[in-house]
Amino acid sequence: EVQLVESGGGLVQPGRSMKLSCAASGFTFNNYDMAWVCQAPKKGLEWVATISYDGSSTYYRDSVKGRFTISRDNAKSTLYLQMDSLRSEDTATYYCASLNLGEDYFDYWGQGVMVTVSS
Amino acid sequence: DVVLTQSPATLSVTPGERISLSCRASESVDTYLHWYQQKPNESPRLLIKYASQSISGIPSRFSGSGSGTDFTLSINGVELEDLSIYYCQQGNSLHTFGAGTKLELK
Repeated sequence: EVQLVESGGGLVQPGRSMKLSCAASGFTFNNYDMAWVCQAPKKGLEWVATISYDGSSTYYRDSVKGRFTISRDNAKSTLYLQMDSLRSEDTATYYCASLNLGEDYFDYWGQGVMVTVSS
Repeated sequence: DVVLTQSPATLSVTPGERISLSCRASESVDTYLHWYQQKPNESPRLLIKYASQSISGIPSRFSGSGSGTDFTLSINGVELEDLSIYYCQQGNSLHTFGAGTKLELK
């Protein structure tokens, strides 16, 4: 059974940093591109970032470029999102999601982790 | 950036009826358009890929159509368990989602 389990969320002050993790199991992690998708309270889905299966390529939405870094450790089957210079508008549930190699849809999703940026 | 516009924002439905949800792209995305269902307090679930391709485990009452800029998700015989928010997503140019269509009970 495919499982994606996020961790590392919580309350953080504006301007500070937070690192999210997503532990994957039940599929061949290094055969999948991976992504983070967020959802602000009562709002829709927003793509945040994508990393290629081998970590060689990364892509970001404009609003997080230079502040967020997506990375992965294929030996640990784990995806990360380092979030720096956090803003109140980054408050959201963050989902990790998988994209089968060469595909551009999100086939598996984690349960999500809440990040609240507030003083 | 490709903008996806979904309509209507909310649709009131009666169980058993056939409904259609629209997703319009600001520029052509070919068939790189996918649909998701999100039930309250749950993660999204992939329903349809590449505009019209079915997904294993998804009921056959869900179907998709379209290409270029105009896409439709149809539910043939809405059931109570289908009351959710439906999102379209394009993958032709990075990724963007539409704002969603909420199905509610009439």
